[in-house]
Parts: sequence; C-alpha cells; structure tokens
Amino acid sequence: GQSLEQPSEVTAVEGAIVQINCTYQTSGFYGLSWYQQHDGGAPTFLSYNALDGLEETGRFSSFLSRSDSYGYLLLQELQMKDSASYFCAVSAAGNKLTFGGGTRVLVKP
Amino acid sequence: NAGVTQTPKFRVLKTGQSMTLLCAQDMNHEYMYWYRQDPGMGLRLIHYSVGEGTTAKGEVPDGYNVSRLKKQNFLLGLESAAPSQTSVYFCASSVSGSYNEQFFGPGTRLTVL
Repeated sequence: GQSLEQPSEVTAVEGAIVQINCTYQTSGFYGLSWYQQHDGGAPTFLSYNALDGLEETGRFSSFLSRSDSYGYLLLQELQMKDSASYFCAVSAAGNKLTFGGGTRVLVKP
Repeated sequence: NAGVTQTPKFRVLKTGQSMTLLCAQDMNHEYMYWYRQDPGMGLRLIHYSVGEGTTAKGEVPDGYNVSRLKKQNFLLGLESAAPSQTSVYFCASSVSGSYNEQFFGPGTRLTVL
C-alpha cells in the first residue's frame, strides 16, 4: 500500500514563504500531486511532479526527489486567501490517487 | 460547462436507511472517483471507474456500491446506512489515469443518526 506524511499545521504571516514537506512510501510510483482545499470547499489541483526537480507556477512551486521519496510545496508571497488545507497525493499503479492527511496553513496579517 | 456536479448537497439519514448519491460530469472524462473525507483528514477512495460499465474498489469500499451505466454519471449507493458513514462525500473525474488532474464536485454532506 501507500503511506504519506505531511505536517498537520503551519502558521505564517502575509508576505512570508511556507514550505510544506511530504514524504511517501509506495510501490509503482508515478508522480506526486498537490491539491488545495478551502474550508467547506472542494479540493482543487495545484501541481503534478513526475520527474525530479522544481516546477514553478506563479507564487506556488512544487519539488520532487524520487530517490528520497520526498517532495514539497512552496508557497511564496503568502496572501490571506492562501489560508487553506494542502494535500499531497501519490499516483501509483492502478489508476488511483492516495492522499496525505493534509496540512492546514493559517496566514496571519 | 458545469464541470462536476453532485446531488444532493446535504442529507440526514437514520441508521439502516438507504440512499443514492449522484455525480455527473460534462467534460467527457473517462475516469470517475468517489471519496469520503472525515473531519481533519485527507480523502479516502471508496470506489472508482475507468470507463462506462466498469467499477473497481478503492481503499474503503465496505458498505458502499457503485454503478457507471452512462459515461457522464457515477452513482454511489448506501444500502444500509451506519453512523460510521457520516462524512463528506466528494466525486471527482479525470481525463485518464491517476497522474492527470482530478476535478472535484462540491461535495455531499451526509449525517447518519
């Protein structure tokens, strides 16, 4: 089976940088995805990494190291609207995503 | 395009009652999924479908059944509801396999008394 670990909560101020780490154990690894979910809302896709390295999309970047079974999501220039839960998810053989428990990010003024 | 829609949005059941949750997508996606999310936790896959007429079990399938008679619809059934099935249920769809972006519906909040 698959297992993922990510911190439960992170607090930061507006304008700061936050890094959310995700370590995973899986067989038949395809890639690592990140999703954002605001309270009461549905998850929305942020990024997908299949190869080692950094992918940048605006203020958000995602990194993957396949050899270390590790990835992170980097949130830059934090805004109040970034307060949400962030989930890493692994894609493995079988057409399925397995989600981590989520990291709640609280942005303070 | 409406994307992924779910009905109903809220439902309260008594233990032992049955119900069906409907998910519909208008993006012509092959893959559809049902997840449940309990408070403060991640999403857990209940069942999924890789195409019309196909279904497969996910991580937590017990107590649930599904059907995909039409490509655009994916139904989740609870035959005899239990309090442990109180949760928020999300449907999702994707173009193809798990490495493609999944699009989620707004969720159904189910309470079983």
